[in-house]
Amino acid sequence: QSVLTQPPSVSGAPGQRVTISCIGSSSNTGAGYDVHWYQQLPGTAPKLLIYGNTHRPSGVPERFSGSKSGTSASLAITGLQAEDEAHYFCQSYDRSLSVVFGGGTKLTVL
Amino acid sequence: EVQLVESGGGLVKPGGSLRLSCAASGFAFNNYAMNWVRQAAGKGLEWLSSISASSSFTDYATSVRGRFTISRDNAKNSLYLQMNSLRAEDTALYYCARDPGGYYGSGTYLQYWGQGILVTVSS
Repeated sequence: QSVLTQPPSVSGAPGQRVTISCIGSSSNTGAGYDVHWYQQLPGTAPKLLIYGNTHRPSGVPERFSGSKSGTSASLAITGLQAEDEAHYFCQSYDRSLSVVFGGGTKLTVL
Repeated sequence: EVQLVESGGGLVKPGGSLRLSCAASGFAFNNYAMNWVRQAAGKGLEWLSSISASSSFTDYATSVRGRFTISRDNAKNSLYLQMNSLRAEDTALYYCARDPGGYYGSGTYLQYWGQGILVTVSS
């Protein structure tokens, strides 16, 4: 049972927009701690996708965006491409548990 | 280019020990906090431990506290994870990852990751 809750899977057709939610609690996301997102392509290490709720590291396409409100955060991907098929993980900080992750969401591009 | 390369994994019997290493290059290692994260096959990510840039502060997940010890040698640009009393449930791919700053904590995120090293605990 992960501290942050993500849907196990989402899917979308090429060109569409998909969102992935990440729901925490008052001891982590609801306490004002930032949410960060990672993309893990098949067989590779995770890669930082979004940090500080909304910021993209250099090299990450503008198609990826993050938002946060209260205990919830979301990752949005617009103009879906086949290469976006991957697992996506959210991460935050918890007052008691330190660094915490969501269980991960598998994105399938139809 | 930031590079993190883990080594030291392998097969170990339950109750045994293993020491993982992470060789860092492409950045001023002594300026950044570092972390260990693991991932069991087909599962999610689990944070294990963090260490500040100067080794002054360390933190551990409940699942490994008292069994694992994080350390670093800034002169050798290396991060370590000493793992004792290993259990079958410790079987996973272990990643080292760099923090964005010198201290870990509420602002921690994993800015750069190594490729991971496999640890298998089995009799």
